[in-house]
Amino acid sequence: DTAVSQTPKYLVTQMGNDKSIKCEQNLGHDTMYWYKQDSKKFLKIMFSYNNKELIINETVPNRFSPKSPDKAHLNLHINSLELGDSAVYFCASSLDSSGNTIYFGEGSWLTVV
Amino acid sequence: AQSVTQPDIHITVSEGASLELRCNYSYGATPYLFWYVQSPGQGLQLLLKYFSGDTLVQGIKGFEAEFKRSQSSFNLRKPSVHWSDAAEYFCAVGGYGGSQGNLIFGKGTKLSVKP
Repeated sequence: DTAVSQTPKYLVTQMGNDKSIKCEQNLGHDTMYWYKQDSKKFLKIMFSYNNKELIINETVPNRFSPKSPDKAHLNLHINSLELGDSAVYFCASSLDSSGNTIYFGEGSWLTVV
Repeated sequence: AQSVTQPDIHITVSEGASLELRCNYSYGATPYLFWYVQSPGQGLQLLLKYFSGDTLVQGIKGFEAEFKRSQSSFNLRKPSVHWSDAAEYFCAVGGYGGSQGNLIFGKGTKLSVKP
């Protein structure tokens, strides 16, 4: 059983398109995250949700919009994709936001051409 | 502001040799510290974590790390490296935005293993 699963794993799309990455966790956790790993392997938090409410919104363009329909899901929508959006996007979850082990999904490799 | 520094971008060791990967952090309170490993084309796997208590923590795959408050360090060690340990290693501290659950990552250390 995959604890944090995200789809698709690979996505190649053209500039200007709108795309979504889905994430689901079956751990019963309250907190979910999106992290971005750039071409230099640097990982940085984008968003953090606790019980479906946004608690961290890092300096991310408005084209990126997370949506959490319930505690187990946190989807990432990206509008008007740009070349610079090419990266690996990791979904993650933890029991709560107070400091617990964070479990990562396997990543979604997004390439914008 | 919180930060994590991994001074070594790339390290090469021989199989069977010992390994130490360095990590220094900057954080105002008692930190939550983590080491993650990422194999090529794969996601992030937690190796070990430190929240409190014993400053020497044991992890999976024979790794251990020692928290040294006086040096603001959390170095990762393994006594004998295996070829399968070749990967990218990330140190992280929890606490971004005031929440321990939000991780700040170092830039990673790539480990290569010579036969």
